[in-house]
Amino acid sequence: QSVLTQPPSVSGAPGQRVTISCTGSSSYIGAGYDVHWYQQVPGTAPKLLIYGNNNRPSGVPDRFSGSKSDTSASLAITGLQAEDEADYYCQSYDSSLSGLVFGGGTKLTVL
Amino acid sequence: EVQLVQSGAAVKKPGESLKISCKGSGYSFTTYWIGWVRQMPGKGLEWMGIIDPGDSDTRYSPSFQGQVTISADKSITTASLQWSSLKASDTAMYYCVRLNIAMVTFAAFDTWGQGTMVTVSS
Repeated sequence: QSVLTQPPSVSGAPGQRVTISCTGSSSYIGAGYDVHWYQQVPGTAPKLLIYGNNNRPSGVPDRFSGSKSDTSASLAITGLQAEDEADYYCQSYDSSLSGLVFGGGTKLTVL
Repeated sequence: EVQLVQSGAAVKKPGESLKISCKGSGYSFTTYWIGWVRQMPGKGLEWMGIIDPGDSDTRYSPSFQGQVTISADKSITTASLQWSSLKASDTAMYYCVRLNIAMVTFAAFDTWGQGTMVTVSS
């Protein structure tokens, strides 16, 4: 069981907006540590999508955005496209474990 | 171009040892921590541990402490993950990753290797 909680699945039609939540506790997200997001297309290695809560690496479309407040973070995807169908993971730091942690992952289906 | 290139797939029997590798290129290898992430078949990502290639300072997830050994050889810009006695439950894809900043508590994994599939079966 992951220390960061994500919904197992979300879905949306092309062009729509979807959000994926990542909920933690006071020992990680709530302690002020950054949240990062990764996209994993089936059969490929994960790719960094958002770092430092709301920053996009070069090459990531601005349809992807991140936000964070208190003990939760969110990834928003606007203008949904078929190529966005993938698994999405949040990641942060857990001071109680003194280590890095992932959420359980969310499968995005584009209808 | 920053790259992490991992060694090829491995098929082993329970009880055997294994060392897989990850070669960094296109950047200063000793400047960035390198980590390992496990993904069991059909499952999510799990952080295993990290190493500072500059001084070999190593930190493990409690779940993997004592189960694996992470090392790095800066002379050949290569990090490694090894097992002394594999179990069937070690069957998984293993990714090496680069941390984007030195402050581990705020770091993201900005570069991923292509993955090494390890299969342990009798």
